[in-house]
Amino acid sequence: AQSVTQLDSQVPVFEEAPVELRCNYSSSVSVYLFWYVQYPNQGLQLLLKYLSGSTLVKGINGFEAEFNKSQTSFHLRKPSVHISDTAEYFCAVRNNDMRFGAGTRLTVKP
Amino acid sequence: KAGVTQTPRYLIKTRGQQVTLSCSPISGHRSVSWYQQTPGQGLQFLFEYFSETQRNKGNFPGRFSGRQFSNSRSEMNVSTLELGDSALYLCASSLGRERRETQYFGPGTRLLVL
Repeated sequence: AQSVTQLDSQVPVFEEAPVELRCNYSSSVSVYLFWYVQYPNQGLQLLLKYLSGSTLVKGINGFEAEFNKSQTSFHLRKPSVHISDTAEYFCAVRNNDMRFGAGTRLTVKP
Repeated sequence: KAGVTQTPRYLIKTRGQQVTLSCSPISGHRSVSWYQQTPGQGLQFLFEYFSETQRNKGNFPGRFSGRQFSNSRSEMNVSTLELGDSALYLCASSLGRERRETQYFGPGTRLLVL
């Protein structure tokens, strides 16, 4: 069975600073990897996904993630964050069903 | 295209009661998945329906059940509610043909059990 570990439960950063949210996964078979964002009192919105091919995936709102098969990681990055990026971020892996990490709360301070 | 809609958005019930939540997928989507989100357990997969058939099921007790109608709308039911069932229940829809498809989430139904 697949599983996901998000290594940081909270990440505080200042506005315009770079950020990396870390995600490791485990699976015995090929999987598909996703990053979702959740704003307060809302559902989840897809940021980006890795299906195959290029290991660097670009998503919405300036986010990107790099798939590293040898390290079983799928870290999310943004070179310069905005106040509006404050939200909960979830890494997910899909085989038969979707498994989510515990989430990382990103707080962007002015 | 309208997004995934869930009704009701908020619900208060008491222990022992039962509840039914509804999810209308994006037009053309035939797969609906349900998730429970709590502060302690995070996001957990409940079940997935495709073309009126349960295709996959998570590790939840039999008090949690669901169904899907011919128009792809789905309902989930929780019987004999417990305090621990208080959660945000999210549904997500997709075309349902491949595992690589994006799931689109609704805003959720927040259930409070007193």
